[in-house]
Amino acid sequence: DTAVSQTPKYLVTQMGNDKSIKCEQNLGHDTMYWYKQDSKKFLKIMFSYNNKELIINETVPNRFSPKSPDKAHLNLHINSLELGDSAVYFCASSQEGGSGDEQFFGPGTRLTVL
Amino acid sequence: GDSVTQMEGPVTLSEEAFLTINCTYTATGYPSLFWYVQYPGEGLQLLLKATKADDKGSNKGFEATYRKETTSFHLEKGSVQVSDSAVYFCALTEYGNKLVFGAGTILRVKS
Repeated sequence: DTAVSQTPKYLVTQMGNDKSIKCEQNLGHDTMYWYKQDSKKFLKIMFSYNNKELIINETVPNRFSPKSPDKAHLNLHINSLELGDSAVYFCASSQEGGSGDEQFFGPGTRLTVL
Repeated sequence: GDSVTQMEGPVTLSEEAFLTINCTYTATGYPSLFWYVQYPGEGLQLLLKATKADDKGSNKGFEATYRKETTSFHLEKGSVQVSDSAVYFCALTEYGNKLVFGAGTILRVKS
């Protein structure tokens, strides 16, 4: 069983389109995250949710809107896609969201904006 | 704000060589420290962690010791294998659950 899954794995789209990436975890964790990895492999947190409540929002453009329908799912919707949004997006989850908690990562979604 | 600095790569080693990847951090308090590994085409996996000063994390032959006096968490392995080729990320969390990553170090091991 996959612990943290993301769909789709690859997403190629045109500038200006709106797209969504879905994430599901079956670990029973309370906290979920979205990270962005750029072309130089640099990773930066975007959002964190704990029990469907937004905890972290890291100066991400408001074209990005996370949605957590329940604590096992955290989706990422992106409006008006731009070239600079091309990256790999990783979903992750952790048990409680404490400082020492291990975060479990999904396989990533490679977004390419043309 | 918090930050993590790790040595630039790529690091290229022969099989069975000794590995060190340096990592230093800046934090206002007492962070937890992590090493994550990313194999080609995959997500990140936790390699090891340490949550307080002088703790040593270890896993799969890799080790790192939390050194508060030098604000460092260097990754070491005595004998690398080709299968260790990956990108290694040093990271910290301080307040709550926000992982702050270093830039990553590519490791290439040749047979």
